[in-house]
Amino acid sequence: EVQLVESGGGLVQPGGSLRLSCAASGFSFSSYAMTWVRQAPGKGLEWVSSVSDTGISAYYADSVKGRFTISRDNSKNTLYLQMNSLRAEDTAIYYCAKGVLAVAGTFVDYWGQGTLVTVSS
Amino acid sequence: EIVLTQSPGTLSLSPGERATLSCRASQSVITYLAWYQQKPGQAPRLLIYDASNRATGIPARFSGSGSGTDFTLTISSLEPEDFAVYYCQQRHYWPLTFGGGTKVEIK
Repeated sequence: EVQLVESGGGLVQPGGSLRLSCAASGFSFSSYAMTWVRQAPGKGLEWVSSVSDTGISAYYADSVKGRFTISRDNSKNTLYLQMNSLRAEDTAIYYCAKGVLAVAGTFVDYWGQGTLVTVSS
Repeated sequence: EIVLTQSPGTLSLSPGERATLSCRASQSVITYLAWYQQKPGQAPRLLIYDASNRATGIPARFSGSGSGTDFTLTISSLEPEDFAVYYCQQRHYWPLTFGGGTKVEIK
């Protein structure tokens, strides 16, 4: 059974940093792209970032480019999202999701339950 | 950036009725379009990928069609568990984008 468990969310002040983690199990982690998607309270889905199976290729939404960094450790079956210079508009539930394919530009077929990030003073 | 416009915003239907949801792209995305279902307090679930392929475990009452800029998700006969919000997503261009969603509610 595919499982994705996010952690690392919480309350942070504007300008602060957080690192989200996503522990994956139940599939060959190193064979699939991985993605972060966020959802602000009461709003729709927003794609944040994707990384290819090897971690070589990474892509970002314009809203987070230069502030967020996606990475993965295939030896630990773990996906990360380093978030710096956080803003109030980054407040959202952050979902980790497994790609259908190995390439970063893929849809996602399994999702974690999400971790809430709140940026507020 | 590809803008995906979903319509209607809300669809009020009764169980057993047919639901037709639309997703229009600002440029052609060929068939690189997916549909997701999200229920309150839950993560989204992939229903359809590449416009018309049902994901694993998705019932046959869900079907997708379309290409280019116009896509449709059809639920042939609504079950009580189908009342939810539905999102489309394209993967043809960076950045990947989602539509704003269509809420299917009980009439």
